[in-house]
Amino acid sequence: DIQMTQSPSSVSASVGDRVTITCRASQGISRWLAWYQQKPGKAPKLLIYAASSLQSGVPSRFSGSGSGTDFTLIISSLQPEDFATYYCQQANSFPLTFGGGTKVEIK
Amino acid sequence: EVQLVESGGGLVQRGGSLRLSCAASGFTVSSNYMSWVRQAPGKGLEWVSIVYSGGGTYYADSVKGRFTISRDNSKNTLYLQMNSLRAEDTAVYYCARAEDYDSRGAFDSWGQGALVTVSS
Repeated sequence: DIQMTQSPSSVSASVGDRVTITCRASQGISRWLAWYQQKPGKAPKLLIYAASSLQSGVPSRFSGSGSGTDFTLIISSLQPEDFATYYCQQANSFPLTFGGGTKVEIK
Repeated sequence: EVQLVESGGGLVQRGGSLRLSCAASGFTVSSNYMSWVRQAPGKGLEWVSIVYSGGGTYYADSVKGRFTISRDNSKNTLYLQMNSLRAEDTAVYYCARAEDYDSRGAFDSWGQGALVTVSS
């Protein structure tokens, strides 16, 4: 199975800050990586697919990059509605696997 | 508008069975890849199973042989039959759609979730 390791597990940031979350795969997954945002009590929401493609309707302050084993999600200017938990997910092979999550908290 | 509505969750004894349903609207279940993803209380996301548009299925090792994913095209509904339930199956179960999975590999629409609690 492909293990997905996210870092940091949590980050405290202020509105307007640039936030960077990384996701590392235990083996190469090409560009088969997605990022999701989840708020408490809600379903996950797709932000980025194929490592860097922005899902329709998602603000452009979210961006993704990477290929192979190392990937990054950047929030360029954190907004109040962005405080949530973020997950990466690989779709290179079954079983599909998620990272452990990164909680973005208010500083 | 794409919508997914899960039902069928509840409290079940260890070793028991439960069937979750996911009613879809705004798109055709049989034309998309559909999946179940679960989240134990206070934990992260765990993929459970997927059914391809062509009918092929895959399962996580943790549920293989116990859970069965299926769909009813006439009802445009996805199911998850869960047998031999264990305490560690306690979670919120989400159904999710992956439109254009072969080029995106991501789940773009999710249901609100159904809570399954397995008591010991």
